[in-house]
Amino acid sequence: EDKVVQSPLSLVVHEGDTVTLNCSYEVTNFRSLLWYKQEKKAPTFLFMLTSSGIEKKSGRLSSILDKKELFSILNITATQTGDSAVYLCAVPDSGGGADGLTFGKGTHLIIQP
Amino acid sequence: EAGVTQFPSHSVIEKGQTVTLRCDPISGHDNLYWYRRVMGKEIKFLLHFVKESKQDESGMPNNRFLAERTGGTYSTLKVQPAELEDSGVYFCASSQGKRRLLYNEQFFGPGTRLTVL
Repeated sequence: EDKVVQSPLSLVVHEGDTVTLNCSYEVTNFRSLLWYKQEKKAPTFLFMLTSSGIEKKSGRLSSILDKKELFSILNITATQTGDSAVYLCAVPDSGGGADGLTFGKGTHLIIQP
Repeated sequence: EAGVTQFPSHSVIEKGQTVTLRCDPISGHDNLYWYRRVMGKEIKFLLHFVKESKQDESGMPNNRFLAERTGGTYSTLKVQPAELEDSGVYFCASSQGKRRLLYNEQFFGPGTRLTVL
């Protein structure tokens, strides 16, 4: 059974700080790793990672994958209060027929002014 | 373009009652997924439709849960009879038709919060 573990579960920092969120995974057949941001309701897609060592970047957010050590990190620099959210890591089903996602529990990030 | 919508936003029912949740995917998306998050746990996959066919229902907890997608458009998830442990947030997601090697981006709805008393 595929497994995703995120840490920390919760993090409170001040505006301007840099944070690093962690995600480790165990899957039978790795295809990709995904990061989502969930504010109030629907999770919204951030990044898809497939190759080790290649950083994906979007503004102040960046993410990288290590397929040897089976983990990924999500970095947020110069955090703002709008970055407060639950950040979810997920892997698509490693079986043959479907794309159901296996999620971690998420990291609840709170940015204080 | 309208996103994935779910109805209702929140439902409170008593143990033993029946509840039906509805999901309207993005127009033209063949793939529709149901997920559930119970308090303190991760979001769990329930099942996957491709058009009106169930592609994978390995995540359905038990036979009290019935999902349908007649006509391949909207989907319903019925819980009958509801138990206390069914409380949680039920998410629906949809993605485009052709399955890609790496991943088909799934667009999530806002979820339905179900509370069973």
